Amino acid sequence: EAGVVQSPRYKIIEKKQPVAFWCNPISGHNTLYWYRQNLGQGPELLIRYENEEAVDDSQLPKDRFSAERLKGVDSTLKIQPAELGDSAVYLCASSNRTGPRAQYFGPGTRLLVL
Amino acid sequence: GQQLNQSPQSMFIQEGEDVSMNCTSSSIFNTWLWYKQDPGEGPVLLIALYKAGELTSNGRLTAQFGITRKDSFLNISASIPSDVGIYFCAGQSGSEKLVFGKGTKLTVNP
Repeated sequence: EAGVVQSPRYKIIEKKQPVAFWCNPISGHNTLYWYRQNLGQGPELLIRYENEEAVDDSQLPKDRFSAERLKGVDSTLKIQPAELGDSAVYLCASSNRTGPRAQYFGPGTRLLVL
Repeated sequence: GQQLNQSPQSMFIQEGEDVSMNCTSSSIFNTWLWYKQDPGEGPVLLIALYKAGELTSNGRLTAQFGITRKDSFLNISASIPSDVGIYFCAGQSGSEKLVFGKGTKLTVNP
């Protein structure tokens, strides 16, 4: 069974430029999460989707960050415009709606804003 | 907000030694998860604990969900070089939000 897929794996942009990350969760997983991981820290939740509905976006900086999961499967996280402080690893995770709710992570997108 | 205290921050051990790390919280969690993260990769789930007092093994790894629901530990027996990495604990409450510790960086000397 394929795991969580993310692309791109690496991205280098200049500040004020837009950037987008894509995630495809494990097949059948209804819940999708976006996390940000700063250097030397554990991941921190940005947004959680149940199917196509964003049920927890309290930690998402909405002035510059947006996310969508239009058909309840894959998802896109966007930053516009990017700032130097946005340099981090952006991780996507998914879990099953029924049964144990352990979250499975993708490999992440490493973003460097210059 | 909720915070997890994970210790130790780093460990340097010899191959074959046993390892123990733990997480404590001021809040109660319903689920404890342990992940390992290699450089350039996402966290990989090692063990999931869903019940207070639960003791679960995965090969050489053993983890326990503390009976107070505010702590958990992870033991690695007979460490090998591929155990090198950063180990994260994560607690989950009814809100589904995972709260992560800051990680324990493990170095294994052959």
